[in-house]
Amino acid sequence: GQNIDQPTEMTATEGAIVQINCTYQTSGFNGLFWYQQHAGEAPTFLSYNVLDGLEEKGRFSSFLSRSKGYSYLLLKELQMKDSASYLCAALAGNNRKLIWGLGTSLAVNP
Amino acid sequence: NAGVTQTPKFQVLKTGQSMTLQCAQDMNHEYMSWYRQDPGMGLRLIHYSVGAGITDQGEVPNGYNVSRSTTEDFPLRLLSAAPSQTSVYFCASSTGTQTYEQYFGPGTRLTVT
Repeated sequence: GQNIDQPTEMTATEGAIVQINCTYQTSGFNGLFWYQQHAGEAPTFLSYNVLDGLEEKGRFSSFLSRSKGYSYLLLKELQMKDSASYLCAALAGNNRKLIWGLGTSLAVNP
Repeated sequence: NAGVTQTPKFQVLKTGQSMTLQCAQDMNHEYMSWYRQDPGMGLRLIHYSVGAGITDQGEVPNGYNVSRSTTEDFPLRLLSAAPSQTSVYFCASSTGTQTYEQYFGPGTRLTVT
């Protein structure tokens, strides 16, 4: 079957670095998305990886290993506004459907 | 650009009532989709469209209808509301297939009593 796993909750301290992991099992993998969703709001796009390696975008970086079915989102210099849910989603199959994880709720404490 | 807009923001329905959730985008995106988001279930695709006049079913289409008469609009119709349809509904659009970044609307919070 097709499955995405990510931790349910994480806690970190303002100014620190946090890594949110995502593992996936899909057929016909075509790339991995990360979205951020603040409570009561819509998801917003953070990153898309289709090749192995690290993509850096400001304080956020995303890594993909296709052979291991593994991705992570790295958040540096954490700010209080980074408290949100982070959704991992894999693009899979011949019909290129998105398989969504349940999200990781990150709480950033002062 | 307004991006993706959804109306209404909140709605309460009685079991058996019907209604249409509106979604519009002004980015000339071909791909549009409807999701529902429930606690512990994540985002689930209801219906999607790859262009005007073309729609297809997603993961949880039962109880919902869609149409795409224009590029801009993609309404979602609940035929006979049930308590199981209590959820937050998001409309999203993107330039191409789901390979591309999706832009989400602000959501409609629907309660069916």
